[in-house]
Amino acid sequence: SQTIHQWPATLVQPVGSPLSLECTVEGTSNPNLYWYRQAAGRGLQLLFYSVGIGQISSEVPQNLSASRPQDRQFILSSKKLLLSDSGFYLCAWSGRGSHGTQYFGPGTRLTVL
Amino acid sequence: AQSVTQLGSHVSVSEGALVLLRCNYSSSVPPYLFWYVQYPNQGLQLLLKYTTGATLVKGINGFEAEFKKSETSFHLTKPSAHMSDAAEYFCAVSDPGGGADGLTFGKGTHLIIQP
Repeated sequence: SQTIHQWPATLVQPVGSPLSLECTVEGTSNPNLYWYRQAAGRGLQLLFYSVGIGQISSEVPQNLSASRPQDRQFILSSKKLLLSDSGFYLCAWSGRGSHGTQYFGPGTRLTVL
Repeated sequence: AQSVTQLGSHVSVSEGALVLLRCNYSSSVPPYLFWYVQYPNQGLQLLLKYTTGATLVKGINGFEAEFKKSETSFHLTKPSAHMSDAAEYFCAVSDPGGGADGLTFGKGTHLIIQP
């Protein structure tokens, strides 16, 4: 069966510090991968998605970036965090022919102080 | 472009009462439809989905939803609410012919269960 991991689970970072969040998927090959953010009291905002290694599409211009160095690994980064980057970050994957069904990881709670 | 509207950011029901969470969509073609549930500080869990075939779809935890094309709706119901149903619920759609950017989500409905 497929599983998706995210780490760290929680993170507290000062403004201006770098960020690296990691997501890995097991039990499937060549998945589509997604990064979402949930700000407090708000819905889901799609940040990035990827259809393959090295292929990243950005939905929202901001100081975040994403990379996919391996088929089942998706990384969210920032060189300098802003207060507005605080939120709950979710990684998700979908398989080919899955009618768009996405399966979510447990999330990372990021607090920028 | 697709869009999803969830009526009511908060819905409160008594334990044992009917749960009804409303979802309407806008799409140029009949979409695939999804309901997800999110418990505090957790990821989203797929409750159920409609792709083709029978319009009444049964999911986990006793939930079901009915696709009504004429009303462009996909409302989520459960006959008898439990305290454990308290969570955030998201309706989502995908375009069968669309790209990998995937699902369009509604803004979510927070379900409150009163004892």
